[in-house]
Amino acid sequence: LAKTTQPISMDSYEGQEVNITCSHNNIATNDYITWYQQFPSQGPRFIIQGYKTKVTNEVASLFIPADRKSSTLSLPRVSLSDTAVYYCLVGGNRDDKIIFGKGTRLHILP
Amino acid sequence: EAQVTQNPRYLITVTGKKLTVTCSQNMNHEYMSWYRQDPGLGLRQIYYSMNVEVTDKGDVPEGYKVSRKEKRNFPLILESPSPNQTSLYFCASSRPLLETQYFGPGTRLLVL
Repeated sequence: LAKTTQPISMDSYEGQEVNITCSHNNIATNDYITWYQQFPSQGPRFIIQGYKTKVTNEVASLFIPADRKSSTLSLPRVSLSDTAVYYCLVGGNRDDKIIFGKGTRLHILP
Repeated sequence: EAQVTQNPRYLITVTGKKLTVTCSQNMNHEYMSWYRQDPGLGLRQIYYSMNVEVTDKGDVPEGYKVSRKEKRNFPLILESPSPNQTSLYFCASSRPLLETQYFGPGTRLLVL
């Protein structure tokens, strides 16, 4: 399983675009990158998943450079309700274990 | 409604008194997993199951047991709880491993 490194915390303001970067230097060829969001006292919720280049859905975008050693979750025009912990996971379907890590605590200010 | 349910949601117990936290999913998922979450440590996987009668240890399995006799249920058993097992516990399920994991609402356990 590839280890991931994320910033412990970030602050931003309402209406701004927020980018959270995750490093995964030893990502394997078959590994996918998945991001989850967690609000206090709730279970994590899937945001987005990608393998390479760029993936976009109604909630976020995921940018993955060619070497795949990092990825960036982009949240457009954040609001106060985006205050949460964001986890980056890296793994492939050969893996049974899942490692969440400590995540990035995002705090959105008014 | 597709969901993962856990019971109880809150539990206070004493050291050494066996307890079981139930987890059930109605999505016919093969993969199920238990996590614990502690301040500053993020989510850590306790046990997981790839299918019925197939279980394996995650990163922090000590002091826990699980069973998977039916596809929908994956109970977490603490044979002799200790205070260091005070935590917030989440159950999750998914189809193939890369698919989205669906999490239960959590069980907050306090062991005195």
